[in-house]
Amino acid sequence: KAGVTQTPRYLIKTRGQQVTLSCSPISGHRSVSWYQQTPGQGLQFLFEYFSETQRNKGNFPGRFSGRQFSNSRSEMNVSTLELGDSALYLCASSGSTVAGANVLTFGAGSRLTVL
Amino acid sequence: GDSVTQMEGPVTLSEEAFLTINCTYTATGYPSLFWYVQYPGEGLQLLLKATKADDKGSNKGFEATYRKETTSFHLEKGSVQVSDSAVYFCALRSNFGNEKLTFGTGTRLTIIP
Repeated sequence: KAGVTQTPRYLIKTRGQQVTLSCSPISGHRSVSWYQQTPGQGLQFLFEYFSETQRNKGNFPGRFSGRQFSNSRSEMNVSTLELGDSALYLCASSGSTVAGANVLTFGAGSRLTVL
Repeated sequence: GDSVTQMEGPVTLSEEAFLTINCTYTATGYPSLFWYVQYPGEGLQLLLKATKADDKGSNKGFEATYRKETTSFHLEKGSVQVSDSAVYFCALRSNFGNEKLTFGTGTRLTIIP
C-alpha cells in the first residue's frame, strides 16, 4: 500500500512569508505527527493529530500550527517565516487507535529553505 | 522529561566489521524503544523496536536489547556492509497516551569497502 506522502518536497520562501505543508497518511491511519529536523537541534516533535483533534504539542511558538481533516490528511502552517525555520519537516502516521501502541511510518519530508 | 543520549558520530568502519552504536535513555514509566535509519534524501525508516524490558528487536542483521537496569538500547550488527551507510537514530515513546517520539541526535555511519 502507498506510504506517507508529503508535498511539496522542496520549497524556498523568504522571511516574513508563510508556508503550508501537506501530509497524506497511509490509508486507514488516523494519527498524524509532525517533526522538524535541523542540523543544530536534531529531530523535534511539533504536534500530533488524531481524528481531527490535536492530541499533543511540542515546544514551538504559535507561528507553527496544524490541522487534520476528516480523511486524516494533515497540513501544517508556519507564519512569519524566520531564517531558523529552514529545516526538513517530517510527517509520520500511525494506524493504532490506542495511543502509544503502534509504530510511526515517516514520509520523505518537505525541505523548507527560508532566505 | 524524556531524553535519549546517543553515541557521537561520525563512525567509519570497514566492510564486515562489527558495529555498536550506544544509546541510553531517561524516561518515566516503561517506554517503548526504537531505532530508525535515515538514508540520504529520505525520511526515517523503522529499523527495529522493543516494547518491554529484556525484549530484543532485530531486523536485517541488526539487533538491540532493551536493558532497563542500565537504561540502554545499544544497536549492534555483526558484519556491516557498504549499504548500511546511513544516519541512525535511537528514540523512545513514553506510552503516556500519545505517539510522540523523543529522538537522540543521530549517528552517521560510513562503511568503506
